[in-house]
Amino acid sequence: QVNLQESGPGIVKPSQPLSVTCSVTGYSITTSYYYWNWIRKFSGNKLEWMGYISYDSSIYYNPSLKSRISITRDTSKNQFFLQLNTVTTEDTAVYYCARHVSYDGYLFDYWGQGVMVTVSS
Amino acid sequence: DIQMTQSPSLLSASVGDRVTLSCKASQNIYKYLNWYQQKLGEAPKLLIYYTNSLQTGIPSRFSGSGSGTDYTLTISSLQPEDVATYFCQQYNSWPTFGAGTKLELK
Repeated sequence: QVNLQESGPGIVKPSQPLSVTCSVTGYSITTSYYYWNWIRKFSGNKLEWMGYISYDSSIYYNPSLKSRISITRDTSKNQFFLQLNTVTTEDTAVYYCARHVSYDGYLFDYWGQGVMVTVSS
Repeated sequence: DIQMTQSPSLLSASVGDRVTLSCKASQNIYKYLNWYQQKLGEAPKLLIYYTNSLQTGIPSRFSGSGSGTDYTLTISSLQPEDVATYFCQQYNSWPTFGAGTKLELK
């Protein structure tokens, strides 16, 4: 059973970095052809795909976030991480991690429950 | 990026009704279109992929259709457990999502 679980700080001050962790159980993040994504949902239901890290450590970011985002991983812990720099109140959102497999395209078949991150002073 | 517009934003229907949700892309997405269901407090669930393929375990009352820029999710006979928000997502380029249709019982 594939399970993804996000964890994060809850609240971040403006201009500080935001860091969220996705812990994966039941499936190795190094399994061929699987990609591990970050997606966020703003109030008002807007969903934004942020980027991914692949089974072989390749990375692709949403061009609108490219200057502020970093996605990394720790294969020994089967975790991957999101860091978003220089946040503003507009980065307040629920942050989800999700999986897709390369040969099917961006089909997000497993998601975490999401973690709310509020940017506030 | 490709903009996705869903309509209506809110839909009220009765149990047993046939329900149709729409999704329009700002350009041709060549059927690279998925539908997700999100219930309150839960993660989104993949329902339909590549316009009309039913994800494993999803009831057959859900179906999808469309081409070009216009796509539809249909629930043939609405059940109480279908109350949720439904999102479309294109993947002809990097993925973008619609703003959702909230489906409630009348």
